[in-house]
Amino acid sequence: KAGVTQTPRYLIKTRGQQVTLSCSPISGHRSVSWYQQTPGQGLQFLFEYFSETQRNKGNFPGRFSGRQFSNSRSEMNVSTLELGDSALYLCASSSSDRYQETQYFGPGTRLLVL
Amino acid sequence: AQSVAQPEDQVNVAEGNPLTVKCTYSVSGNPYLFWYVQYPNRGLQFLLKYITGDNLVKGSYGFEAEFNKSQTSFHLKKPSALVSDSALYFCAVRGNSGNTPLVFGKGTRLSVIA
Repeated sequence: KAGVTQTPRYLIKTRGQQVTLSCSPISGHRSVSWYQQTPGQGLQFLFEYFSETQRNKGNFPGRFSGRQFSNSRSEMNVSTLELGDSALYLCASSSSDRYQETQYFGPGTRLLVL
Repeated sequence: AQSVAQPEDQVNVAEGNPLTVKCTYSVSGNPYLFWYVQYPNRGLQFLLKYITGDNLVKGSYGFEAEFNKSQTSFHLKKPSALVSDSALYFCAVRGNSGNTPLVFGKGTRLSVIA
């Protein structure tokens, strides 16, 4: 079974631009979560979706948004990019919304904002 | 609020020696506990998890972890370290009450020296 895929893998943007990142979960998985990883802050939770509904949102400004489609694929968008948005963005999927389910991670999208 | 503490930023161990990576947690309700490993420029790989039952959990690549409810700890262990175990290790927790996301520790960098 194919793992979680994320596109693109690398991205360079300039301040003020916007970016859309894509995540395809493991086949059959209906829950998708997004995380931001930086050397200083570690792994920080962004969003969690299940069956197209946002179940949880982390403590990020409104410039960060996301959605999930009927096929469970998910996108996240960051508008008006800032230098501090440079990070590895990780997507994870799990088979259900039960709290004990294991989340399986994709390779990440590395975003550099200049 | 949920939290995870990994008190050591770096752990160094000689190849063949036992290793321990420490993790303590704080949650509401009963905890679901996870360990992940991250190799350079990769996403997180699932190692093991504790949901309920036996306090000693066995996982991938010879790793195991011991759940201790009274000490609120979930330390990762391996009897004999390999150089290939060198990586960044994350502990994560999710409580079974309240609509809360998976919360990660800051990570511990394990270096196994030949």
